[in-house]
Amino acid sequence: DAKTTQPTSMDCAEGRAANLPCNHSTISGNEYVYWYRQIHSQGPQYIIHGLKNNETNEMASLIITEDRKSSTLILPHATLRDTAVYYCIVRLELNYGGSQGNLIFGKGTKLSVKP
Amino acid sequence: EPEVTQTPSHQVTQMGQEVILRCVPISNHLYFYWYRQILGQKVEFLVSFYNNEISEKSEIFDDQFSVERPDGSNFTLKIRSTKLEDSAMYFCASRRGNSNQPQHFGDGTRLSIL
Repeated sequence: DAKTTQPTSMDCAEGRAANLPCNHSTISGNEYVYWYRQIHSQGPQYIIHGLKNNETNEMASLIITEDRKSSTLILPHATLRDTAVYYCIVRLELNYGGSQGNLIFGKGTKLSVKP
Repeated sequence: EPEVTQTPSHQVTQMGQEVILRCVPISNHLYFYWYRQILGQKVEFLVSFYNNEISEKSEIFDDQFSVERPDGSNFTLKIRSTKLEDSAMYFCASRRGNSNQPQHFGDGTRLSIL
């Protein structure tokens, strides 16, 4: 699976949009981009995923560049409860090339939402 | 919304003892996983399980570890003879069978080895 690069930490003011970048320049055609977050020591929480189109759900939006080498997770109106470590993970489609879908976590971006 | 549940939330065990961590995955999910996170470190993959057998495991998952789905609802991780370095948060995850569906995680079991 392709490696990802994320900033170590970011700050965001409460109520503003939080834009978290991720570089995945070696991503291949069958690899999806997944975003998870981990609040304190809870289990990782799924946020959103995409292949090449932009995606939006009730939690966030995912913008993937046309060449798929980078993406941005957008939390439109950050709250204090969004303070967490955010992980960008690139993963092969299940069963493609023998992939069993296990996730490889990096260190992520520690997002601090401040009042 | 259905969720993955893990018990106990905290397990304290003497070194050398056996421990079993329990998970109830989401009911219509087909793929099951265990991960661990040593305090202050990254989340690490341990093992994946599908169709009643291990499909992939990491170097961490040595002969001291085993997994089982004994009754079609529970998914367990057993550590046969615990070591101090097994102290960590252990997370269970499950996913549906569709190719790009995400994994959903439980809130983990904190394992403390004394």
